[in-house]
Amino acid sequence: NAGVTQTPKFQVLKTGQSMTLQCAQDMNHNSMYWYRQDPGMGLRLIYYSASEGTTDKGEVPNGYNVSRLNKREFSLRLESAAPSQTSVYFCASRTGQWENTEAFFGQGTRLTVV
Amino acid sequence: QQQVKQSPQSLIVQKGGISIINCAYENTAFDYFPWYQQFPGKGPALLIAIRPDVSEKKEGRFTISFNKSAKQFSLHIMDSQPGDSATYFCAASTYGGSQGNLIFGKGTKLSVKP
Repeated sequence: NAGVTQTPKFQVLKTGQSMTLQCAQDMNHNSMYWYRQDPGMGLRLIYYSASEGTTDKGEVPNGYNVSRLNKREFSLRLESAAPSQTSVYFCASRTGQWENTEAFFGQGTRLTVV
Repeated sequence: QQQVKQSPQSLIVQKGGISIINCAYENTAFDYFPWYQQFPGKGPALLIAIRPDVSEKKEGRFTISFNKSAKQFSLHIMDSQPGDSATYFCAASTYGGSQGNLIFGKGTKLSVKP
C-alpha cells in the first residue's frame, strides 16, 4: 500500500504565483490534515478535514485554501505565494476525529518562495 | 498558546546511553499521547503511544512514562544507537471536533555519537 502520497516533492515559486499541493491516501481514512514544518516550530496545523465534505481552519490558515475532493484526496492551494510560506508541507490522514489513532504522514513537499 | 511543551530542543548522547525527552501539556482533556520519529527528508512516523490509564508503556528500547497529576510525559530511549539519530515529536489529542487534531511539540533533534 502507498499510504499517503504527496505531489510534488519539491517546488520553487516566485512571490505572487499560485500552486496546489496534492495529497491522496489509500487507507479509507475519514480525516485528513495539512501541516507545515518550520525549523524550531514543530508541526503546525494549517487546515483539516474531519470527514468528506467538511474542512476547518487549524492554527495557521492565513494564505491557504483547501479542497476535500473526495474521501481519498485533500489538496492545499496557495493563491498568492509569499516568502513566509517557504516551508515543508506534510499531509496526514487518520481514521477519524472521534478515534484516537495513529496519523500517517506523507513524505512532504519542500516549497521555496523567492 | 502552546498546548504541548517539549524539551530539550536538541540532545547529544553517546552510543549505549539513555536519551530522555520530556513533554508537558495543559489541556486535561487530552487522552492520547503519541511520540513520532522523523528522519531527514521523511515524514514523521508513529514510534509509540500511550493513553492516560497506564503510567508506562514499553516497546523494545523505547519507553513512555506518563504522569497524569503533573501533566507530563516522557520518552526514554535505552541503549541509544546511531540509527536513533532523528527528530522526535511528542503530541496529544482528545476525541472529536478540533480537539481531535494532534497538537505537536516543537521537536527534539537527537544525535547519538558512535
